[in-house]
Amino acid sequence: NAGVTQTPKFQVLKTGQSMTLQCAQDMNHNSMYWYRQDPGMGLRLIYYSASEGTTDKGEVPNGYNVSRLNKREFSLRLESAAPSQTSVYFCASSEASGGASTQHFGDGTRLSIL
Amino acid sequence: GENVEQHPSTLSVQEGDSAVIKCTYSDSASNYFPWYKQELGKRPQLIIDIRSNVGEKKDQRIAVTLNKTAKHFSLHITETQPEDSAVYFCAAREKSPNKLIFGTGTLLAVQP
Repeated sequence: NAGVTQTPKFQVLKTGQSMTLQCAQDMNHNSMYWYRQDPGMGLRLIYYSASEGTTDKGEVPNGYNVSRLNKREFSLRLESAAPSQTSVYFCASSEASGGASTQHFGDGTRLSIL
Repeated sequence: GENVEQHPSTLSVQEGDSAVIKCTYSDSASNYFPWYKQELGKRPQLIIDIRSNVGEKKDQRIAVTLNKTAKHFSLHITETQPEDSAVYFCAAREKSPNKLIFGTGTLLAVQP
């Protein structure tokens, strides 16, 4: 049982390049999330998908797009990378229920944009 | 929307002492408050959580208290050990489907 798997683990890009961060979960969770983590800023929500077929903006969506490919996979795309997008990106998933449920995180992708 | 403030940003204690981290939230409709621990270079992991119908919850050396009237909640770690050294994040769940808003984190250093 791998939980939440993110690829790649590290990536260096040049300004203006594009790339897609991949995330997959094997816990049959309905909801998935993308966060970025910057020093002193905590975890900030970029986009989330409450269920398959739906996506919504979080706190910091500008410069990003997402795709909920199926129930297992939720990808994050940077169309034209900027140095301000240098960060650690975490994907998470949780069961969707009437009550609160735990979010499980992947190991993160460390992205540097030169 | 929800806003979560967390204090202190850094905390240094001697091994065996207690540590307390405090968070405040703005949305009185928030009803779920988890705490995550993140060791250096690792993923955040849930260590304890509390729902709005409960005032206190304990799990061995860690406890969380919630004051709904004042809209604040706290993490208490007793008998701290060096392996407790990490960044701790509080969060509050907005009323929208299971969306968490995180505090900015507290770096806890336990000195042996």
